[in-house]
Amino acid sequence: ETGVTQTPRHLVMGMTNKKSLKCEQHLGHNAMYWYKQSAKKPLELMFVYSLEERVENNSVPSRFSPECPNSSHLFLHLHTLQPEDSALYLCASSDRGDEQFFGPGTRLTVL
Amino acid sequence: DQQVKQNSPSLSVQEGRISILNCDYTNSMFDYFLWYKKYPAEGPTFLISISSIKDKNEDGRFTVFLNKSAKHLSLHIVPSQPGDSAVYFCAASEYPFSGSARQLTFGSGTQLTVLP
Repeated sequence: ETGVTQTPRHLVMGMTNKKSLKCEQHLGHNAMYWYKQSAKKPLELMFVYSLEERVENNSVPSRFSPECPNSSHLFLHLHTLQPEDSALYLCASSDRGDEQFFGPGTRLTVL
Repeated sequence: DQQVKQNSPSLSVQEGRISILNCDYTNSMFDYFLWYKKYPAEGPTFLISISSIKDKNEDGRFTVFLNKSAKHLSLHIVPSQPGDSAVYFCAASEYPFSGSARQLTFGSGTQLTVLP
């Protein structure tokens, strides 16, 4: 596999469920990102990991919890989400502040 | 308040003609600008970038122009092809933080349709 992969591609979950999104990059990059894209809104940066250290983003609700076990993998753990959290969640990676490479995204629907 | 704005949600252009997509920003600390293209059901794909020390960058059919005094950048596609039909996002960032990561601020996108 090459580039940035994300699983699952589609996810439907209830408000009381716990689920996780997975991202893997095969590019040897040292920074990884989670973005949220809601309908008709710009991509919003949620979390950044640089050299496996997390940069805090205080505007993200605690029901979203990121995890970066190593430089190639990034997870987004989801717990007690709200319907307004339904969106496309995109993972990206970069090297040395250069352009970011995006995965195909996970389309999340919260019922 | 949005720091990066793409005021045209859509643009239609005839095949072979020039497509011009515009982007305005408000943060004078932005020093690096990028354009991404996005097809349905795919993630954004990097197209072209420009540093604030330049006013033009060219890559094949794609040219990005930066006007720092006006806080405006534009993407020119010449000649436009039907395969260019996609959503185009403008993004901007300040100097990298945390050693290697950049925080990108995106515009809301412009849907380009190239008519055959």
